[in-house]
Amino acid sequence: DAGVTQSPTHLIKTRGQHVTLRCSPISGHKSVSWYQQVLGQGPQFIFQYYEKEERGRGNFPDRFSARQFPNYSSELNVNALLLGDSALYLCASSSARGEETQYFGPGTRLLVL
Amino acid sequence: GNSVTQMEGPVTLSEEAFLTINCTYTATGYPSLFWYVQYPGEGLQLLLKATKADDKGSNKGFEATYRKETTSFHLEKGSVQVSDSAVYFCALSGSRGSNYKLTFGKGTLLTVNP
Repeated sequence: DAGVTQSPTHLIKTRGQHVTLRCSPISGHKSVSWYQQVLGQGPQFIFQYYEKEERGRGNFPDRFSARQFPNYSSELNVNALLLGDSALYLCASSSARGEETQYFGPGTRLLVL
Repeated sequence: GNSVTQMEGPVTLSEEAFLTINCTYTATGYPSLFWYVQYPGEGLQLLLKATKADDKGSNKGFEATYRKETTSFHLEKGSVQVSDSAVYFCALSGSRGSNYKLTFGKGTLLTVNP
């Protein structure tokens, strides 16, 4: 079975632009989470969605938003990009509400110039 | 809030040496504990987990025991290989009702030399 997939793998944007990152969970998984990993640090939680509803939100500005689709795939949107948004964005899926084991995709590396 | 403190790296070992990476945590209730590994240029792979006190997680020769009395989850391997070179992250998920997110440590870079 395929694991978590993310697209694109790499992205270069300039300050002020908008970006959309995409994630497809493991087949049968209904929960998707997004994390930001700045170089040299551990991942920081951004959002979790379960059954298309936001279940949790981390300490990120309103420029960050996300949604989950009926097929459980997800998009992370970031508006008005800042240099500090340069990071590896990781998507993780888990099988059900209350299942805390999360499986990660390869990530999207975003560079903001 | 929840937090994870990991041993500062980098850690450099020779092949077949014994590995310990320390991890301690602060959390309310009864979190689940995880070790993830990140190879260069890749995402995170789940290495092992433990869901309650005194549980031992193990995988690929790595082990970690959930010690509630010392709030620790140290990673160990008896004989490391060059292929174990990676960044290792300790993480916890919240107790029931708040277990929707993982809290990670800063990571420990392990380099194993032949």
